[in-house]
Amino acid sequence: DVKVTQSSRYLVKRTGEKVFLECVQDMDHENMFWYRQDPGLGLRLIYFSYDVKMKEKGDIPEGYSVSREKKERFSLILESASTNQTSMYLCASSSPRYNEQFFGPGTRLTVL
Amino acid sequence: GENVEQHPSTLSVQEGDSAVIKCTYSDSASNYFPWYKQELGKRPQLIIDIRSNVGEKKDQRIAVTLNKTAKHFSLHITETQPEDSAVYFCAATISSNTGKLIFGQGTTLQVKP
Repeated sequence: DVKVTQSSRYLVKRTGEKVFLECVQDMDHENMFWYRQDPGLGLRLIYFSYDVKMKEKGDIPEGYSVSREKKERFSLILESASTNQTSMYLCASSSPRYNEQFFGPGTRLTVL
Repeated sequence: GENVEQHPSTLSVQEGDSAVIKCTYSDSASNYFPWYKQELGKRPQLIIDIRSNVGEKKDQRIAVTLNKTAKHFSLHITETQPEDSAVYFCAATISSNTGKLIFGQGTTLQVKP
């Protein structure tokens, strides 16, 4: 059974803080993704990684960076959190052969 | 750029009725079309998917149809039950074939008992 876990379910941070969101998958998937979920906007891709140390910008990368030092772990970094980054953040992983993405439980981030 | 449009944004049906959600995509090279269900407070989970070489796929009460010419695909739920209440997302692969999906905006389905 594929398992994708995220470091926190709820997080409250102050404007200007550096924020780390971590995602770990245990199925040896090459692909990992970070999405942002906002009502009425669906799931928007922030960043994507198809291999260790490889990354690609998604549709809304501004204000975010990522790190993938190990295959199973993909981190999303908010260099200087702002209130408009208050959202639900979802991590996902997939094998390039099958395309099905498996999601983590999400982190609800509030920036005050 | 590539996009996926999903309609309606909200759908309310009586228990036992059918529900249909429709999506259109822009990239003619898209070849994989999954549907995800997200219950309140939970993660999205795949409920059914279809590949471009198939026109229809069924799994018990749910079915997906694909019209490649018109670039649209639909989710059909028959005999709806209260536990079908959730947000449903459609998605499509993009032509770069990197495994990336473009998601629709989501449909909130409410099944009234």
